[in-house]
Amino acid sequence: EDQVTQSPEALRLQEGESSSLNCSYTVSGLRGLFWYRQDPGKGPEFLFTLYSAGEEKEKERLKATLTKKESFLHITAPKPEDSATYLCAGINYGQNFVFGPGTRLSVLP
Amino acid sequence: DAMVIQNPRYQVTQFGKPVTLSCSQTLNHNVMYWYQQKSSQAPKLLFHYYDKDFNNEADTPDNFQSRRPNTSFCFLDIRSPGLGDAAMYLCATSRERIYGYTFGSGTRLTVV
Repeated sequence: EDQVTQSPEALRLQEGESSSLNCSYTVSGLRGLFWYRQDPGKGPEFLFTLYSAGEEKEKERLKATLTKKESFLHITAPKPEDSATYLCAGINYGQNFVFGPGTRLSVLP
Repeated sequence: DAMVIQNPRYQVTQFGKPVTLSCSQTLNHNVMYWYQQKSSQAPKLLFHYYDKDFNNEADTPDNFQSRRPNTSFCFLDIRSPGLGDAAMYLCATSRERIYGYTFGSGTRLTVV
């Protein structure tokens, strides 16, 4: 069964303290790996798509990387406004999205 | 701005009273999805439409139905809401299923 897991479940950082979120996947025939940001009470907001191992994408303080088994979302010098839940999702050959449970990030001033 | 709009943002319904949630899109995307998301959980796909073709997930309860009268609109009907159906309901669209989704802001459903 296709599965996406994320760790840690929750992460508290001080402002400026860089860290990484992990997304591990066992998705048969992975065709794409997606990262979303979700603020409380809102729908997820698209961040990145990664299609092949070794690929990297950046946006402001965020950088996403992909290997054959996992993806990382690196957050450099985070600010309080980066606080959110970060969701990872894989899409398989059946074109079905498989979401992970998310990592709740809190950045303290 | 092109977007996905869900109405209402908050819906309170009585146990067993039918309720309809609405989603509209200005992106002209082929695919529209309905997800259920409970607190601190991953979104769970209920069903999707590719154009007019309806695709139900195997474990979606019969209590949940959907309609897509045209490209722009999609509705989620819950025929007899139970307390366990209280959740955030997310509508999403994509140009094709392989591409990333654009989500709406969600409708928070409360069942009393």
